[in-house]
Amino acid sequence: GENVEQHPSTLSVQEGDSAVIKCTYSDSASNYFPWYKQELGKRPQLIIDIRSNVGEKKDQRIAVTLNKTAKHFSLHITETQPEDSAVYFCAAGVSGGYQKVTFGTGTKLQVIP
Amino acid sequence: GAVVSQHPSWVICKSGTSVKIECRSLDFQATTMFWYRQFPKQSLMLMATSNEGSKATYEQGVEKDKFLINHASLTLSTLTVTSAHPEDSSFYICSASNSGRWQETQYFGPGTRLLVL
Repeated sequence: GENVEQHPSTLSVQEGDSAVIKCTYSDSASNYFPWYKQELGKRPQLIIDIRSNVGEKKDQRIAVTLNKTAKHFSLHITETQPEDSAVYFCAAGVSGGYQKVTFGTGTKLQVIP
Repeated sequence: GAVVSQHPSWVICKSGTSVKIECRSLDFQATTMFWYRQFPKQSLMLMATSNEGSKATYEQGVEKDKFLINHASLTLSTLTVTSAHPEDSSFYICSASNSGRWQETQYFGPGTRLLVL
């Protein structure tokens, strides 16, 4: 099955700096890579996703890059703000009909004001 | 859109009792629902995948007779923890996939915190 590794486990940045979280996956069949943000005590919320037909996707301060050859993908947050502080999970799976995804171990991001 | 509710939000029960958790998609039809377990400061561990009208698919190591899943309609799935024990105490969270275009996108419920005494 799929195995997703995520690094770092914790990340502290100064407000305004950029944050990068990296994930690797093992199953070359995976073609769907969502990122979720989970604030303390709350549900995970999808913040961005990417499919394997593109190498990069951007939504305001958030961007995700995908390298299928190397089987890794990354989340980039620019101009970080205190409200970006949360746990971020990457995931990998196969799209096209009710397929599960495998989650990474999570990265706790702390943005220091 | 794509709102998922979960009930109850928290429950305390005695060891040996059964607990039922409901997961509802409020504004969309969810052909597939997923049940996860999350321990403090850990990732989401998939327990089972539930498709409407069919038996759930359990992940390796998850006892299907202990964690009963029913997905009788396109908006409701239930997880019953039978004969709960203290080691079953955890945060249980469901997610639902919209049967529309982006079928793989999962929308999560708020979770149910279970404490077994």
